[in-house]
Amino acid sequence: QVQLQESGPGLVKPSQTLSLTCTVSGGSISSGTYYWSWIRQPAGKGLEWIGRISTSGSTSYNPSLKSRVAISVDTSENQFSLNLGSVTAADTAVYYCARWPAGTASFDYWGQGTLVTVSS
Amino acid sequence: QSALTQPPSASGSPGQSVTISCTGTSSDVGGYDYVSWYQQHPGKAPKLIIYEVTKRPSGVPDRFSGSKSGNTASLTVSGLQAEDEADYYCSSYAGSNNLVVFGGGTKLTVL
Repeated sequence: QVQLQESGPGLVKPSQTLSLTCTVSGGSISSGTYYWSWIRQPAGKGLEWIGRISTSGSTSYNPSLKSRVAISVDTSENQFSLNLGSVTAADTAVYYCARWPAGTASFDYWGQGTLVTVSS
Repeated sequence: QSALTQPPSASGSPGQSVTISCTGTSSDVGGYDYVSWYQQHPGKAPKLIIYEVTKRPSGVPDRFSGSKSGNTASLTVSGLQAEDEADYYCSSYAGSNNLVVFGGGTKLTVL
């Protein structure tokens, strides 16, 4: 059973960079044909797809965040990471990592989510 | 404002059926058979219940079904149970630039 777990600071100051890591267990991040995604959800609001990465390092991002986002993968550690720069209070949200099976455009496994608050 | 439009709320009594709509455009819902639905209970991560418009992942009851007509997709929950009370989100593939867009979510109440 694949499991995903987000980790990182719960508080980030405005204008700084939000950095999160997702650790995948129960299987190799390189096995199968999957993309690895980040999705966020502000309190009381809907879901927003942030971006994805393949294990070969190919990335795609939400155009609304593209200028501030970078997703990377470390297959040796079975992890992938999110960096979101120049954050504001509007970036306060629960951040989820999720697995996207290629060819489905769906997210079949999710992490439990981690709350990141942007505040001075 | 979300890319896909869902009604903010829906409700039904136990045993009844309820349908939730998800309206997009020809660039997303209408253009691809890649609509997914997620169930989210309070404080929990979303759970995939429908993918590729009509397919159910292993373990999802057949009370949940999906369909699509034109630019609108629908999720039907039959034989409503108390545990079906949750938020439901649709998503769609939106092409090589946008990739994935979500609906704003629908709160389903079991009366």
